[in-house]
Amino acid sequence: DQQVKQNSPSLSVQEGRISILNCDYTNSMFDYFLWYKKYPAEGPTFLISISSIKDKNEDGRFTVFLNKSAKHLSLHIVPSQPGDSAVYFCAARFTGNQFYFGTGTSLTVIP
Amino acid sequence: GAVVSQHPSWVICKSGTSVKIECRSLDFQATTMFWYRQFPKQSLMLMATSNEGSKATYEQGVEKDKFLINHASLTLSTLTVTSAHPEDSSFYICSDERDLYFGPGTRLTVL
Repeated sequence: DQQVKQNSPSLSVQEGRISILNCDYTNSMFDYFLWYKKYPAEGPTFLISISSIKDKNEDGRFTVFLNKSAKHLSLHIVPSQPGDSAVYFCAARFTGNQFYFGTGTSLTVIP
Repeated sequence: GAVVSQHPSWVICKSGTSVKIECRSLDFQATTMFWYRQFPKQSLMLMATSNEGSKATYEQGVEKDKFLINHASLTLSTLTVTSAHPEDSSFYICSDERDLYFGPGTRLTVL
């Protein structure tokens, strides 16, 4: 049972524009959410996280939004750069438990 | 710099052989490490939790006799895939208990 879902397997965005990656979850007990960036044949790299007590967290070009009522989070990248092209995973957990990962969204930023 | 390392990064073996993968926490004494597996175009799935000085905890559906985990020190956990078969071919990734940091992954190909 996939508790964290990323319904868009791929996304293409023009350089300089905003990239919006979406993630939905089913377990209301999740209290911590993260976004990871992954290149082929490499381990995931942590990007940004958000606690369930917040609805927004910003770090440079990356902003994560959390809508608890909709059980939805999104990652905004602005402006998008070609180096942002990678697979992005969202992950969720509840305290003391494992992370549950989405299936990933492959982002391509077109120069 | 990397805080979690894995070795080897890529291994090819014949069916029936055993393969050992090492995961090292470089800057942190980790009493707990996590082993994940990622099949192509799929999410990262937690296989097991490695506990220093005690038995590993395996997720449902993961054969503990096939995937042997040893956490002999606070900086090293090993995953041994015993009697590997082609269906075990995958990308194996570890993380230490801080969860934010993953190793670079090990690509296992079983012929």
